[in-house]
Amino acid sequence: EAGVAQSPRYKIIEKRQSVAFWCNPISGHATLYWYQQILGQGPKLLIQFQNNGVVDDSQLPKDRFSAERLKGVDSTLKIQPAKLEDSAVYLCASSFYLTSTDTQYFGPGTRLTVL
Amino acid sequence: TQLLEQSPQFLSIQEGENLTVYCNSSSVFSSLQWYRQEPGEGPVLLVTVVTGGEVKKLKRLTFQFGDARKDSSLHITAAQPGDTGLYLCAGRAGGTSYGKLTFGQGTILTVHP
Repeated sequence: EAGVAQSPRYKIIEKRQSVAFWCNPISGHATLYWYQQILGQGPKLLIQFQNNGVVDDSQLPKDRFSAERLKGVDSTLKIQPAKLEDSAVYLCASSFYLTSTDTQYFGPGTRLTVL
Repeated sequence: TQLLEQSPQFLSIQEGENLTVYCNSSSVFSSLQWYRQEPGEGPVLLVTVVTGGEVKKLKRLTFQFGDARKDSSLHITAAQPGDTGLYLCAGRAGGTSYGKLTFGQGTILTVHP
């Protein structure tokens, strides 16, 4: 079974530029998550989708971050404009369904460096 | 906001030693998970504990969920260099936020041969 795919793996941009990340979850997984992991910290949930609807985006900085999951499969996360503090690894995860004990499968992440 | 505090943040030990990592919160969680993350990869689930007082064993790893479901521990017996990595605890609250995971800041474990 193929895992969660993310691209690109690395991205370097200058502040105020825009950037987009792509995620392809495990086939059949209804729930998709985007996390931000700053160096030395645990992942922080940015947004959670159930199929193509948003379940939780309470920690998404909506003035600069946006995400969509068209057709309930692939997802993109965009930052516009980027700030220095956005430097982090952006992890995508998926799970079969939304339960209290469901397993989340993580992709390898995209490492973003903002100069 | 629910917070999970992990301790220690860094652990450097010799092969064969035992160690314990702690995960504490003032909040109650419906379930708690432990993950291991290696450089350049995403976290991988090790275990999920659900019941207060529950103990689960995975080879040399023993996981315990506190009676009040506010804390957890991970104990590794006879650590090996292959155990090196970032260990993360993550809790799920009950109710309508049952899907959302809150992660601790992680414990970086280095096991020297």
